[in-house]
Amino acid sequence: QSALTQPASVSGSPGQSITISCTGTSNDVGGHNFVSWYQQHPGKVPKLLIYNVSNRPSGVSNRFSGSKSGNTASLTISGLQAEDEADYYCSSYRSSSTPVLFGGGTKLTVL
Amino acid sequence: QVQLVQSGAELKKPGSSVKVSCKASGGTFSTYTISWLRQAPGQGLEWLGRIIPILETPIYTQNLQGRVTFVADKSTNVAYMELSSLRPEDTALYYCATSHYGPEAFDVWGHGTMVTVSS
Repeated sequence: QSALTQPASVSGSPGQSITISCTGTSNDVGGHNFVSWYQQHPGKVPKLLIYNVSNRPSGVSNRFSGSKSGNTASLTISGLQAEDEADYYCSSYRSSSTPVLFGGGTKLTVL
Repeated sequence: QVQLVQSGAELKKPGSSVKVSCKASGGTFSTYTISWLRQAPGQGLEWLGRIIPILETPIYTQNLQGRVTFVADKSTNVAYMELSSLRPEDTALYYCATSHYGPEAFDVWGHGTMVTVSS
């Protein structure tokens, strides 16, 4: 099955804001409010940053925010910090026999 | 707070099977949704499926249909993933995960089990 579409890489300078997009279809991102975002540092387990499009689990910095418009979800990181340099993945529920789909991942570089 | 501890790394021959375990502690195992995911070296995340121990009704990704089996042992709080007819492209880090925020948002992860398929 096709993965959700994310940019391969994004970059930003400390203090700036960046946005990572995640584009799907009306069967997944556009049709349900079950989009999640994960951060993964090299060699580490993924960490849940956002669930249900825009909700943050307890303990996650409010510098991370999520939103959705149509078939595209977005993760915004404000006040970029060096420690934010990592890979970011989106996922979505979808109406299918395989109900969870991931994006291909985006590598964030903090300049 | 539930914690998940997985079994150790495996080296397997093509065509063989592997069974990975995931022991849960600190929560009510039977009511959690245990999902399985994998990540090939240098690649992204792939959801493999899930099982709810109290229901014992697994859901599998179409990609692995027929080769993967999930089992949950409520007496020992251990979930198992068995993958058969292994291929080199099955080489990956296999994770079990669960969630306090809904079945599609994974906030608790095992440490991962590396499965290498090579002749």
